[in-house]
Amino acid sequence: KAGVTQTPRYLIKTRGQQVTLSCSPISGHRSVSWYQQTPGQGLQFLFEYFSETQRNKGNFPGRFSGRQFSNSRSEMNVSTLELGDSALYLCASSFHSGGLTGANVLTFGAGSRLTVL
Amino acid sequence: GENVEQHPSTLSVQEGDSAVIKCTYSDSASNYFPWYKQELGKRPQLIIDIRSNVGEKKDQRIAVTLNKTAKHFSLHITETQPEDSAVYFCAASKGNYGQNFVFGPGTRLSVLP
Repeated sequence: KAGVTQTPRYLIKTRGQQVTLSCSPISGHRSVSWYQQTPGQGLQFLFEYFSETQRNKGNFPGRFSGRQFSNSRSEMNVSTLELGDSALYLCASSFHSGGLTGANVLTFGAGSRLTVL
Repeated sequence: GENVEQHPSTLSVQEGDSAVIKCTYSDSASNYFPWYKQELGKRPQLIIDIRSNVGEKKDQRIAVTLNKTAKHFSLHITETQPEDSAVYFCAASKGNYGQNFVFGPGTRLSVLP
């Protein structure tokens, strides 16, 4: 069973540019979450998608956006990049059927390491 | 919103000793508490989790305890080994709708041979 796949693994951008990161969840997982990991702030929740709908959103500016496709693959986009956006962006999928069923295990991808110069 | 604190931030133990990491959470509605281990350069991986209807859970050398009244939960690792060296993150989630996990800042555990 393939794990969570994130592309690209590494990328370098300059301030003001935009970037799109991709995440393919484990087959059958319909929930995809995105997290930003930095040495100073730890793991910060960005947003979560389920059945192509954003269900939850963290406390990040509108420059951070995402979407989910009908095959559950997800993309996140960061526009007008700032130096502080340099981080490891982790995607996690889970088999969460929604509603009052309780949280399920997150399985993380290897991450996309973004460096903004 | 939910806030998760984690202590200590760094922990060094001798091989074979026990290690304990503690987390506190603020939202009494949180009901799912996983622990993730992240080795250097690797992705976080779940090592154990506990739901609010359980007070303790054990898996070989790893155990987690939950005190809902005090709103804290702890990770216990016994007979530590060098391969236990990693950063450990606790997290809390309400889990009733969606996957919104709040993570603690992490504990860097070093097991000295």
